[in-house]
Amino acid sequence: AQSVAQPEDQVNVAEGNPLTVKCTYSVSGNPYLFWYVQYPNRGLQFLLKYITGDNLVKGSYGFEAEFNKSQTSFHLKKPSALVSDSALYFCAVRDIGSARQLTFGSGTQLTVLP
Amino acid sequence: EAGVVQSPRYKIIEKKQPVAFWCNPISGHNTLYWYRQNLGQGPELLIRYENEEAVDDSQLPKDRFSAERLKGVDSTLKIQPAELGDSAVYLCASSSGSAAEQYFGPGTRLTVT
Repeated sequence: AQSVAQPEDQVNVAEGNPLTVKCTYSVSGNPYLFWYVQYPNRGLQFLLKYITGDNLVKGSYGFEAEFNKSQTSFHLKKPSALVSDSALYFCAVRDIGSARQLTFGSGTQLTVLP
Repeated sequence: EAGVVQSPRYKIIEKKQPVAFWCNPISGHNTLYWYRQNLGQGPELLIRYENEEAVDDSQLPKDRFSAERLKGVDSTLKIQPAELGDSAVYLCASSSGSAAEQYFGPGTRLTVT
């Protein structure tokens, strides 16, 4: 079975400060990992993915994520938060060796305070 | 390039009525997904198509839900009859391969009264 945990329902950060949105996963094999962002009344937008290779993945809008196999984590980060980054963020995982498709976390609401 | 198109964006129906949602994926994407997203939760897969073949429909409530993807392009998801618990956002997504990221449409917000 595969699963994703986003331990924080809500993250607040001041504009200009670094932000981190946490994600841990569980798969029986090797993972594909994704981050998506959802704005109100919109579909999910792809931010970045880890397939293989460098553990630090850079994505859209200045976001990056670090794959840590030993901690089974894939935390989303940004060095300097913007008010416009306020949105709902979803982590998703897929076991490479499985026919199953993506399993999404429950989401983390990020609020960047001006 | 045009994104994933869904219609309608909003739908309000009474319970026991039928409803249908339509999706047009990104051109060239052979994989199409239908998800249901309940309030405060992540999307949950209902069905996945590879071209016109439904390859994963294990989470689709087949007593009332049906889907089709004729000619391997557009897709329709139907609920008949709708129940109060079907109120949710129904998302369509497409991708060009199994390791590729999925691109999502704006979704259809269904309210069953």
